[in-house]
Amino acid sequence: SAVISQKPSRDICQRGTSLTIQCQVDSQVTMMFWYRQQPGQSLTLIATANQGSEATYESGFVIDKFPISRPNLTFSTLTVSNMSPEDSSIYLCSVMGSGELFFGEGSRLTVL
Amino acid sequence: EDQVTQSPEALRLQEGESSSLNCSYTVSGLRGLFWYRQDPGKGPEFLFTLYSAGEEKEKERLKATLTKKESFLHITAPKPEDSATYLCAVKAAGNKLTFGGGTRVLVKP
Repeated sequence: SAVISQKPSRDICQRGTSLTIQCQVDSQVTMMFWYRQQPGQSLTLIATANQGSEATYESGFVIDKFPISRPNLTFSTLTVSNMSPEDSSIYLCSVMGSGELFFGEGSRLTVL
Repeated sequence: EDQVTQSPEALRLQEGESSSLNCSYTVSGLRGLFWYRQDPGKGPEFLFTLYSAGEEKEKERLKATLTKKESFLHITAPKPEDSATYLCAVKAAGNKLTFGGGTRVLVKP
């Protein structure tokens, strides 16, 4: 299984600011995924990050709000832009390996 | 649209009291059903993948089974360290997983 590191692990942010979350994987992977887990809820896929091409966003998520970079096969970033309290969530990076999806520890954002 | 429903939402067990968690799903062309364990403040930890009806997988006190409409996660003689939220997810075409709402399990000593 892949080892996935996320930074920051948690942060408290002010309304209207933006925060970038980093995801580092210990092996090269074709696809990386970004999920959101709102308080008390399950996981929702935000987008799929492909190396060398634009990210593919799920319904309800847009690039202006959640820009994603994928500069190489081991790294991706997710930016949460112009944050509001409704963006308070855990953001999780994940990768597919051997047909299974593995997750990082998550980045817990609190927006005041 | 793919749908996953888990029940119950929460389960309180005495140590040693076996029980089962249910995951009902509606999906076009199932390509895998996944079970995860999630501890508070952590990312989901992969447990099992099931691919076809009749398949079963075991890991320590956990056993997952799959039918054409649902999956069960059986916890045999649970211990307090089995306390966690258990998540079920399905994969259809592509690589997107659709998750259920989870079952919070509390095992009391």
